[in-house]
Amino acid sequence: AQKITQTQPGMFVQEKEAVTLDCTYDTSDQSYGLFWYKQPSSGEMIFLIYQGSYDEQNATEGRYSLNFQKARKSANLVISASQLGDSAMYFCAMRASGWQAGTALIFGKGTTLSVSS
Amino acid sequence: DVKVTQSSRYLVKRTGEKVFLECVQDMDHENMFWYRQDPGLGLRLIYFSYDVKMKEKGDIPEGYSVSREKKERFSLILESASTNQTSMYLCASRLLAGGIYNEQFFGPGTRLTVL
Repeated sequence: AQKITQTQPGMFVQEKEAVTLDCTYDTSDQSYGLFWYKQPSSGEMIFLIYQGSYDEQNATEGRYSLNFQKARKSANLVISASQLGDSAMYFCAMRASGWQAGTALIFGKGTTLSVSS
Repeated sequence: DVKVTQSSRYLVKRTGEKVFLECVQDMDHENMFWYRQDPGLGLRLIYFSYDVKMKEKGDIPEGYSVSREKKERFSLILESASTNQTSMYLCASRLLAGGIYNEQFFGPGTRLTVL
């Protein structure tokens, strides 16, 4: 069965510091995609970054980077230079290649990030 | 920009009522999804639709049904609302072309309370 595990219910960081949010996954598929979403208190889900299983380079999008370690089945999100507006819940998600499973994302339980000044 | 809208941000219903949650997307996406989000449980898939009139059960379909008569609209129906269906409901859509790599676009969510 496919599964996403986020072991950190909450993380605290000071402004301008970097923070790593952990994500491990389990799948027997060779082709899969990993996603990170941000959910502020307003509730909308905002797509942050994507990593494909065959991508050799770690994905980066501005202050977000994905530390992809395929052998360890981990896809940690790194936020550099944290800002107050980064306070939100963060979800790691996966899509694998099976037809029915391949269209829906499987989500972890989320990590709440709190950034203080 | 893709826009996914949901009919209500907040909804309060009584036990036993039939409840309709509507979702509309404006980018001609084939795939549409309904999730529910509960504290400590993340997002769980209720139903999804990979095209018009097509539907597939997700992980927690019990107590729910869906309808997709038009490509842009995906409705979630609670046949007889119960208190354990109090939750945040999120609709999403996705373009099928491009395989597994396309992200899902989410609506703002509907916070449903069943009394």
